[in-house]
Amino acid sequence: DQQVKQNSPSLSVQEGRISILNCDYTNSMFDYFLWYKKYPAEGPTFLISISSIKDKNEDGRFTVFLNKSAKHLSLHIVPSQPGDSAVYFCAAIDYGGSQGNLIFGKGTKLSVKP
Amino acid sequence: GAGVSQSPRYKVAKRGQDVALRCDPISGHVSLFWYQQALGQGPEFLTYFQNEAQLDKSGLPSDRFFAERPEGSVSTLKIQRTQQEDSAVYLCASSFQTRAIHYGYTFGSGTRLTVV
Repeated sequence: DQQVKQNSPSLSVQEGRISILNCDYTNSMFDYFLWYKKYPAEGPTFLISISSIKDKNEDGRFTVFLNKSAKHLSLHIVPSQPGDSAVYFCAAIDYGGSQGNLIFGKGTKLSVKP
Repeated sequence: GAGVSQSPRYKVAKRGQDVALRCDPISGHVSLFWYQQALGQGPEFLTYFQNEAQLDKSGLPSDRFFAERPEGSVSTLKIQRTQQEDSAVYLCASSFQTRAIHYGYTFGSGTRLTVV
C-alpha cells in the first residue's frame, strides 16, 4: 500500500501562471518531506523540503505547504517557467522507523507551455 | 568528483546473466543509498550504507540482490541471475550527513537495466 500518493500523473500550466502539485500521505510518523525534480535521463534533483513542525517553507519561486491534520502537502511554483517542465516527486522520511531512506510518490509530470 | 557518478548508464542483460552496477558518491559523503525505479513509478528504497557498514537492506527484493561498499566510498550493486522484472533504473544517492535534512540527498543519473 502506497504511503505517499501523488494522484495527478500530469499537469499542464501556462507560462507565468501558478503550478500547484499535490501530495497525500498515510503515515503520521513521517517527520520530514522533500520535493525532487527530475528531467529525462537524469537523476532526481532536490528542490525544497519541510519539517513536520512547520506548515510552510519558501525558496524563491517555490513554496511548500504542509497540512498535517489532512496529511497533505503541496508545492506551489509561481510564476511557472517552461524550464520547470519536469517530473516532480514528493518524498517523505520517517526517521524514527528507518535509516533516513526516502519514500517516494509516483510523480507528477508538469508541462509549462510558453 | 562534482556529483554522484554511476556506471554503466545503460545495461542490457540476457535473462539469467549476472550484472554489477557501480556508484561513485561525492567524495566524503557518509551516507549512500540505492533505489530502484520501475517505469512509471517513483524510486523505491533498496539498501543503505553508512560509510562501509550496510545498515539497512530491507528493500532488497530477493537474495539475488547484493550490495557492498568495502572502503566506504565506491559501492557496487550486484544482481545475480537477472529476471525480466529486474528491468528498471537503478539510482544511487549520497549525503555528507548521516541524516540528510536540509539539503536532501544527491542522486546520480542512474543505470537503466533492461533484461531481455
